[in-house]
Amino acid sequence: EAGVTQFPSHSVIEKGQTVTLRCDPISGHDNLYWYRRVMGKEIKFLLHFVKESKQDESGMPNNRFLAERTGGTYSTLKVQPAELEDSGVYFCASSVLGGRANTGELFFGEGSRLTVL
Amino acid sequence: KNQVEQSPQSLIILEGKNCTLQCNYTVSPFSNLRWYKQDTGRGPVSLTIMTFSENTKSNGRYTATLDADTKQSSLHITASQLSDSASYICVVSTNYGGATNKLIFGTGTLLAVQP
Repeated sequence: EAGVTQFPSHSVIEKGQTVTLRCDPISGHDNLYWYRRVMGKEIKFLLHFVKESKQDESGMPNNRFLAERTGGTYSTLKVQPAELEDSGVYFCASSVLGGRANTGELFFGEGSRLTVL
Repeated sequence: KNQVEQSPQSLIILEGKNCTLQCNYTVSPFSNLRWYKQDTGRGPVSLTIMTFSENTKSNGRYTATLDADTKQSSLHITASQLSDSASYICVVSTNYGGATNKLIFGTGTLLAVQP
């Protein structure tokens, strides 16, 4: 069974450009999360989808970030225009919905490293 | 403020030795505590998940403990192997309603196992 896949693995762009990160969750996982780790800091929550609906986007830094999950399958995270402080590793994670949701195991992708010059 | 603090920041041990990593948290309301292993360039992988009522949980050579009263957890690694070299991240889940959980991450302990 395929795990959570993310694309691209590494992106280098200039300040002001646009980048779109993609996440394919594990098939059948309705919960999809985006996280970010900036240099030297802890991983932080960005937002949470349940199927195609945004359950919580309180972690999104500002309106330069736009996440979508059309059809409730894969998700994209667009940064437009990118700033220097957006550099970091963006992780996607997915989990099943329902059951003992409070202890639902989260499966992470390998991350997309974004470097903004 | 919800926070998870880990110690030490980094640790070097010899292959075959044991080690214990620490985690203190100030997260409320508490839902569960997780330990993840993150290899360089990879995503975090779950080792254990413990709820409020669980004091200890093992996964092979990894044993996690939880003291919900003092808000402390530890991860003990027995008979370390070179492949244990990784960052170990303590994560506390807070339930903000229904079946939804928000994860608060520590900065991790970087473990290096040397031959």
